[in-house]
Amino acid sequence: NAGVMQNPRHLVRRRGQEARLRCSPMKGHSHVYWYRQLPEEGLKFMVYLQKENIIDESGMPKERFSAEFPKEGPSILRIQQVVRGDSAAYFCASSPGKAGTGELFFGEGSRLTVL
Amino acid sequence: DQQVKQNSPSLSVQEGRISILNCDYTNSMFDYFLWYKKYPAEGPTFLISISSIKDKNEDGRFTVFLNKSAKHLSLHIVPSQPGDSAVYFCAASATGTYKYIFGTGTRLKVLA
Repeated sequence: NAGVMQNPRHLVRRRGQEARLRCSPMKGHSHVYWYRQLPEEGLKFMVYLQKENIIDESGMPKERFSAEFPKEGPSILRIQQVVRGDSAAYFCASSPGKAGTGELFFGEGSRLTVL
Repeated sequence: DQQVKQNSPSLSVQEGRISILNCDYTNSMFDYFLWYKKYPAEGPTFLISISSIKDKNEDGRFTVFLNKSAKHLSLHIVPSQPGDSAVYFCAASATGTYKYIFGTGTRLKVLA
C-alpha cells in the first residue's frame, strides 16, 4: 500500500509564476490536508478537503492560493503569482477519517523555492 | 494565536537516558493529541496519540502523558537512542473541527 505521494519534490519558480503541487492520498483515504512549513517554523494548517469539497480553508491565504480534490486524480495546491515569501515546504497528509479519529499520514513534502 | 506551544526549541540527551519533550495548549476543547517525529527533508511520521479520556498511553519506548487541568502533555522516550535525533511535533484537534494544530517543534539530539 503506497504512502502519500507528493510531486514535485522540489520546484523552483520565479516571482510572478504559478506553482502547482500535487498530492495523491493513501489508498482508501478520502480526507486530505495541506500544511506549510516555513524555514525554522512549525507546520501551519492551510486547508482540509474531502473528495470534491473544501471543508476548511481557514489557514489558506485569501489571495493567490487555491486547492482542490477532484473526484478523479490527485489533490492540487495552486499558488498563483508566487512571491519570495511563498518559499516553503508544503506537506500533504491524508487520513481515512476526519480529525480526531486517528493519525494523519504525511507525504515527503514539496519544497518550493521562489527566486 | 499559537494554540499549541512547544517552548523548548531544542533538547540534548545522552544515549540511554530519558528524553522528555513538552507541549502546552490553550484551547480547552482539544480532546485528541498526537506526536510526530520529523527528519530533515522528510515528512512527519506518526509516533503516538492520546485521547482526552486517558492520561497516559504507552507504545514501546514512547509514553505520552496528558494533564488536562494543566493543558499540558509530554512525550517520554526511554531509553533514548541516537536514531531518535529529530524534530518532534505535538498536534491537537477538537471534536467537530477538521484540523490538527501543530506546535513549532522541539529538536532532539541524542548524544552517543
